Amino acid sequence: GAVVSQHPSRVICKSGTSVKIECRSLDFQATTMFWYRQFPKQSLMLMATSNEGSKATYEQGVEKDKFLINHASLTLSTLTVTSAHPEDSSFYICSAPSPTTSNQPQHFGDGTRLSIL
Amino acid sequence: AQRVTQPEKLLSVFKGAPVELKCNYSYSGSPELFWYVQYSRQRLQLLLRHISRESIKGFTADLNKGETSFHLKKPFAQEEDSAMYYCALSVGNTDKLIFGTGTRLQVFP
Repeated sequence: GAVVSQHPSRVICKSGTSVKIECRSLDFQATTMFWYRQFPKQSLMLMATSNEGSKATYEQGVEKDKFLINHASLTLSTLTVTSAHPEDSSFYICSAPSPTTSNQPQHFGDGTRLSIL
Repeated sequence: AQRVTQPEKLLSVFKGAPVELKCNYSYSGSPELFWYVQYSRQRLQLLLRHISRESIKGFTADLNKGETSFHLKKPFAQEEDSAMYYCALSVGNTDKLIFGTGTRLQVFP
């Protein structure tokens, strides 16, 4: 079945560095992907919609220059957290809509736990 | 504004007891609602959606537009039901999902 792969699963880095997270649809194409952020014991918050071949659509309150999204191909979207700071530490999850009218309307990645020291 | 509310962060029951996980939504349009489940160390997956009107793993959920609710129910909880449950609302004609804060269900033997 359709699978979404997210990489890396965990990253720890120093404050000020930029971190790139990849989201791949492994056996289907996705013109749209979604990026969520989840704080501990809180809900998944939609950050942005990644659109293949065009600019991402950001939700209100999400800094575009901080969270750069690139959807360069039909199977890959990347989220880059630029100049990361400790407050950016969180769990980031991507998803892609199912290519068919299946029982799973969206397929989620395993998530990336980002820790900024 | 679109919003999904799950008032309980944690729900603990014994095996065999009935379970009801509450979900209320706020949306001016015609809602499409989902329940997602996340078992320990696994990715988020769809449990059921209101338009399917089906029962999955013994769980059911009925959309009540008058009360703007979509509560998840199971008559007899099992230990393997222990997981994190998220209620979600699909917005407009997009695939965007608005999630509730989630409820952790613990089923004790």
